[in-house]
Amino acid sequence: GAGVSQSPSNKVTEKGKDVELRCDPISGHTALYWYRQSLGQGLEFLIYFQGNSAPDKSGLPSDRFSAERTGGSVSTLTIQRTQQEDSAVYLCASSRREGATVRGEQFFGPGTRLTVL
Amino acid sequence: KQEVTQIPAALSVPEGENLVLNCSFTDSAIYNLQWFRQDPGKGLTSLLLIQSSQREQTSGRLNASLDKSSGRSTLYIAASQPGDSATYLCAVKYGGATNKLIFGTGTLLAVQP
Repeated sequence: GAGVSQSPSNKVTEKGKDVELRCDPISGHTALYWYRQSLGQGLEFLIYFQGNSAPDKSGLPSDRFSAERTGGSVSTLTIQRTQQEDSAVYLCASSRREGATVRGEQFFGPGTRLTVL
Repeated sequence: KQEVTQIPAALSVPEGENLVLNCSFTDSAIYNLQWFRQDPGKGLTSLLLIQSSQREQTSGRLNASLDKSSGRSTLYIAASQPGDSATYLCAVKYGGATNKLIFGTGTLLAVQP
């Protein structure tokens, strides 16, 4: 089947506007992750969803960032009142639930490049 | 603090050469380690995953080793090709409630034809 898909591939917005980034994980993957890749910070974890459990939000940089996952599949990352320092590539990944024979390898989407002017 | 470091930051080799990329991590209590490649403007492609109980994994011309006691992993690329040119990232997952990956800084590899 298809890999992880993300939309849009590029997003240019003005400072202060809200943006929504979308991620479609691989079918059957119960775990979904958001990461951010920026020049100064490298690749950093933002948030993790696993099935119906409460998400791990420990990586979200501020309360302007939020994410939800509907129906255990598609996820949306929302950034409110965008700032220039939010400019980065936002990557989504998914994995199967780890078990005796499942290794939990993470597979990444192509990313959304966000530019805040 | 759990940190992952990759050396060298950049590497240029002639086509056909065998090469080794290094990854080190400060906390040896890892769950697994994953190697990725990233082409310019693209997402990450998973290359190999090594569980904490394993010493190495092989896929084609790639071989990844893991030495938890010394906090190191290496990615060996045999008979390099220009198509191997990319940034290589290692990422560590620790046990516990979170499944997040902690990424290294990456090695930019250029294979000259």
